[in-house]
Amino acid sequence: GAVVSQHPSRVICKSGTSVKIECRSLDFQATTMFWYRQFPKQSLMLMATSNEGSKATYEQGVEKDKFLINHASLTLSTLTVTSAHPEDSSFYICSGTVSNTGELFFGEGSRLTVL
Amino acid sequence: AQKITQTQPGMFVQEKEAVTLDCTYDTSDPSYGLFWYKQPSSGEMIFLIYQGSYDQQNATEGRYSLNFQKARKSANLVISASQLGDSAMYFCAMRETSGSRLTFGEGTQLTVNP
Repeated sequence: GAVVSQHPSRVICKSGTSVKIECRSLDFQATTMFWYRQFPKQSLMLMATSNEGSKATYEQGVEKDKFLINHASLTLSTLTVTSAHPEDSSFYICSGTVSNTGELFFGEGSRLTVL
Repeated sequence: AQKITQTQPGMFVQEKEAVTLDCTYDTSDPSYGLFWYKQPSSGEMIFLIYQGSYDQQNATEGRYSLNFQKARKSANLVISASQLGDSAMYFCAMRETSGSRLTFGEGTQLTVNP
């Protein structure tokens, strides 16, 4: 199946710094990329949906100025957590698809720890 | 609005036995897809099985089968001949054809005992 490469897999940063997470679709063109956040022992919560070349659509309660999403090409989407705080510590996972009804391919996830 | 419910936070099963993980859903969209994913402790999401709302037959993939009861809006996952490696978190998810997003249930932590 198609592969979405996500990195870094783990990142530890100091409070107040910014962290960038990348998702690359290696063998398909992801027209749409979804970004999820997962707290321990909880479900995946959709943060935002991004379509290549346009601004991301954020879910209610997700701060767009804090979680910057860029989907500049069909093979790369990035999530930047700006001015990270300990409460932003979580597992972030991306998922790409070719079309609205196409199969979804998940990245391996990134575990962020903010000290 | 769509909603996915998994009422079993944790399930235990003996190795080699079958286990059913429950999932109910709610949607007003007549066209939708139902998914099951496995998430081991490493965090990756592993696709297991898919059922379309118009599919006449219940989906099967190896040891996984989906008990799809459309009128009851349930899509339970059946794992046959459980293995120790099946111990993981299992998520049911739904995707309406009118939108591309995937909405997940709360998950069920499955533990397979030797």
